[in-house]
Amino acid sequence: DIEMTQSPSLLSASVGDSVTITCRASRDISNGLVWFQQKPGKAPRSLIYAAFSLQSGVPSKFSGSGSGRDFTLTISSLQPEDFATYYCQQYKSYPLTFGQGTKVEIK
Amino acid sequence: EVQLVESGGGLVQPGGSLRLSCAASGFTFSDHYMDWLRQAPGKGLEWVGRSRNKAYTYTTEYAASVKDRFTISRDDSKNSVYLQMNSLKIEDTAIYYCARGQCIGGGCYSGASWGQGTLVTVSS
Repeated sequence: DIEMTQSPSLLSASVGDSVTITCRASRDISNGLVWFQQKPGKAPRSLIYAAFSLQSGVPSKFSGSGSGRDFTLTISSLQPEDFATYYCQQYKSYPLTFGQGTKVEIK
Repeated sequence: EVQLVESGGGLVQPGGSLRLSCAASGFTFSDHYMDWLRQAPGKGLEWVGRSRNKAYTYTTEYAASVKDRFTISRDDSKNSVYLQMNSLKIEDTAIYYCARGQCIGGGCYSGASWGQGTLVTVSS
């Protein structure tokens, strides 16, 4: 199985900050990576697919980059609605696997 | 508007069975892969399994943790996908989500759209 490692697990930031979350795959997954946002009590929502393509309806403040094993999600100008938990998922091979999540909290 | 509505969750004893349903609307169901995912209380997301579409003869994939205990099926005439869960364990306690797969560039990711989830509690 491909193991996905996210860092950091917890990120404290202020409104207006830009933040970056990283995701590393245990082996090459090309660009087979999706990023999700999840708010408490809600289903996840996809933000970025194929490592850098913005899901329809998602604001351009979210951006993804990377290929191979290393990936990043950047959120610019954090707003109160962006404080949530973020997950990466690889879909290069079965079983599909998630990172452990990064909680972005208000500093 | 894409809608996915799960049902069938509840309390079941260890070793028991439960069948979850997911009713879909707002898209051409038969064209899409459908996934089941879960989230244990206070934990991260876990992919459970997938049903491919008719073009791929409805073949399925499963996580090792549920293989041989869980079965995914679908009825395109009812725009529904199902998760039959047998030999349930306490560690299967979770919110179970169905999600529409999206295939692009040779890969298919989970969760272009998600249901609201249904809670399964395995306890004696």
